[in-house]
Amino acid sequence: GAVVSQHPSRVICKSGTSVKIECRSLDFQATTMFWYRQFPKQSLMLMATSNEGSKATYEQGVEKDKFLINHASLTLSTLTVTSAHPEDSSFYICSAGGWGATYEQYFGPGTRLTVT
Amino acid sequence: SQQGEEDPQALSIQEGENATMNCSYKTSINNLQWYRQNSGRGLVHLILIRSNEREKHSGRLRVTLDTSKKSSSLLITASRAADTASYFCATGARDYKLSFGAGTTVTVRA
Repeated sequence: GAVVSQHPSRVICKSGTSVKIECRSLDFQATTMFWYRQFPKQSLMLMATSNEGSKATYEQGVEKDKFLINHASLTLSTLTVTSAHPEDSSFYICSAGGWGATYEQYFGPGTRLTVT
Repeated sequence: SQQGEEDPQALSIQEGENATMNCSYKTSINNLQWYRQNSGRGLVHLILIRSNEREKHSGRLRVTLDTSKKSSSLLITASRAADTASYFCATGARDYKLSFGAGTTVTVRA
């Protein structure tokens, strides 16, 4: 149980275009999902907390107009990187977790974004 | 923001040996978790230890937590080639957010 999928696994886009990444919980309902980015050989940096039916909460320094998050259902959260630039190239990972006494998070396989 | 620091950054051991890595953090926590990441993949949850616990076991994994020193250790016993991965500690708060350490890259040589 507790499987999280991400789509696409890899995407290459041109500068100035927007890219949408989907995060789905496959066998459970996730009221809360988290979005992280990870640079090569570095740790995960929390970008935002996505709550079903409400606005996402962004971490300090993360541009909410650039990284649009939508959590329209209990099984789907999306991250849209708008007007992408090469510096947005990174590994984006989502996770689901945070309900009741459950503190562990279940991670998706990640999306490798390359902006050319 | 990143709270945990891990030591060592990299570790290379022979199959069958034990691997120990340490994690230090700065602020008070609700829990501390360890995750494994294979290259280019997502993270897999290994073990969670609550702030009122001192030691926890899961299979070949042993985690300790010393809240007075704000540190934790992960021990992998009888390592296997399949244990080759990056290991991250993450401190958990009551709001369910996780703050990850820099990670330890473990290579198990056959």
